[in-house]
Amino acid sequence: GAVVSQHPSRVICKSGTSVKIECRSLDFQATTMFWYRQFPKQSLMLMATSNEGSKATYEQGVEKDKFLINHASLTLSTLTVTSAHPEDSSFYICSASHTTGDTQYFGPGTRLTVL
Amino acid sequence: GENVEQHPSTLSVQEGDSAVIKCTYSDSASNYFPWYKQELGKRPQLIIDIRSNVGEKKDQRIAVTLNKTAKHFSLHITETQPEDSAVYFCAGGGADGLTFGKGTHLIIQP
Repeated sequence: GAVVSQHPSRVICKSGTSVKIECRSLDFQATTMFWYRQFPKQSLMLMATSNEGSKATYEQGVEKDKFLINHASLTLSTLTVTSAHPEDSSFYICSASHTTGDTQYFGPGTRLTVL
Repeated sequence: GENVEQHPSTLSVQEGDSAVIKCTYSDSASNYFPWYKQELGKRPQLIIDIRSNVGEKKDQRIAVTLNKTAKHFSLHITETQPEDSAVYFCAGGGADGLTFGKGTHLIIQP
């Protein structure tokens, strides 16, 4: 149990385009999903916390208009990187926690490369 | 907010020896402390966790200890094996979210 999927696993896009990343909890309901960014050989940096049916809470320094988060159901959250630039290239990982829990289960991550 | 410090950043041990990774946290309201193992290019995997009402937890070769007064917790791996080589992250927080340490690159020398 507690399986989280993420799609796509890799994406290459041109500068100025938008990219959508999906995060799904496959076998449990997740009231809360989290989006992280990870640079090579660095730790996980929380970008935003996403609660089903409400607006995401963004960490300081993360532009909400650039990183659009939608948590439409208890099993799906999406992150859209709008007008992507090369500096947005990174490994984006989501996690999800059960409706009553605090343990976070991670998706496999999405490697974004912006040319 | 919470601040989690993790040491060391790199740890090299002989196969069969024990490894200890230490973390400190700042927010006394934090009540949940998981440890994750991440292999290169893969997702972090939860290996053990502890809650603030417990001082120690063990699962086979892995154990975690928590000192609430001093606000520090540690991961202990005994009888290390080559497959233990990875980056290990501690985290502190609760249902509202986790703050991660910077990670420890554990290298198991044959």
